[in-house]
Formats: sequence, structure tokens, C-alpha cells
Amino acid sequence: GAGVSQSPRYKVAKRGQDVALRCDPISGHVSLFWYQQALGQGPEFLTYFQNEAQLDKSGLPSDRFFAERPEGSVSTLKIQRTQQEDSAVYLCASTQGRQNNEQFFGPGTRLTVL
Amino acid sequence: GENVEQHPSTLSVQEGDSAVIKCTYSDSASNYFPWYKQELGKGPQLIIDIRSNVGEKKDQRIAVTLNKTAKHFSLHITETQPEDSAVYFCADGGEGGGADGLTFGKGTHLIIQP
Repeated sequence: GAGVSQSPRYKVAKRGQDVALRCDPISGHVSLFWYQQALGQGPEFLTYFQNEAQLDKSGLPSDRFFAERPEGSVSTLKIQRTQQEDSAVYLCASTQGRQNNEQFFGPGTRLTVL
Repeated sequence: GENVEQHPSTLSVQEGDSAVIKCTYSDSASNYFPWYKQELGKGPQLIIDIRSNVGEKKDQRIAVTLNKTAKHFSLHITETQPEDSAVYFCADGGEGGGADGLTFGKGTHLIIQP
């Protein structure tokens, strides 16, 4: 079966542009997570959803970051007025839930802000 | 919140030898500790995990040990092969067992020398 997919795989933005990153979780997975991975570092938690409800957004670095999952499936991470420090790989993961919390990761979107 | 320390940051071993990566965590309530392997340009992939009700878990050449008293856990890879070369991350699933996100270590770049 299909795993977690993310698009685009690579995104180059000029400073100040808005970007939208998409995540398609594994079908039927209840929870969806976004992480930010800087070069040479481990992933850092940004936010997560259980179905369409955003239960924790404490990891979002600023109010320029916004995530949504309106129908409890596909999710979009939006970054407004991008800055150079936003350059990173953005990873999405999903879990089946219901006491099975193994996180399955997508390949990530590499964002470069010039 | 959780804090995870991982070391070493780089580990070079001869093919066929064993490799050990160690992590410490801060929250005594944490009960789920997964290990991920990340290859270049890909998302992290779960290779083994352990819950706090056991002290050791083994899967073929890979094993994980957990010392709850000392709050540390380790990944052991025996009979290393060239395809084991990658970056390995430990993670802490917190009190929720990973249901509300993971806190990752900074990673260990494992190099298998032929």
C-alpha cells in the first residue's frame, strides 16, 4: 500500500513569499504530525492533528506558521512571509491511532528560502 | 517537556563489528522509545522500539536496551553491513507513548568501513 506522501519534494522561495506544503497520510490513519528538520539535526515537533482537530501547535516557531487538516485526511502546512531561518526539511508523519502509535514518515519537503 | 541527548554524533566501525548508540532522557514518565534510521533524501524509518515495561528487545541483528532507573536506552547493531550506513535517531514518546508526538535526539551518523 501507499505510504505517506508529501509535495512538493523541493521548494525554493524568495524571502517574503508564502509557501504551502502538502501531506497525504496513509489512508485511515487518525493522527498526523508535522516536524521541522534543520540540516544535521533531528526532527523537531511542530504540530499534530487527531482527525481534523489540531490538538497541539506548541512547536510552531511563530504566527507565520499555520497548519490545517479540514477533512481529517490531507494536511497543509503554510508558512507566510518566509525567512531564511525557515529553510529546512519539513516532515509529515501519520499514525493509525487506537493504541498503535508507530509513526510512519513521508520523504519530506526541502524548503530553501533565498 | 522531554529532552533527549544522543551520542556519539559520528560512529565509524569496521564491517562485521558491532555498533552501539546511546541516548538519555529527562522525563521519568516517558514510556515509549523508538529508534529511526534515515537515509539521505528520505524520511526516518522505524527500525525498533521499546516500551518501559521491558528492559530489552531484539530483532535479528538489532537490539534495544532500556534502563529506566538511569533513564537511558541504547541501540545495538551486530555484524554490521554496508547497508547499515545511515543516520540513526533515538526518540522519546513521552508519557503519551508517542500519541502526541516524539522528541528526537540529534542523530548519529553511522559509517560502516568495508
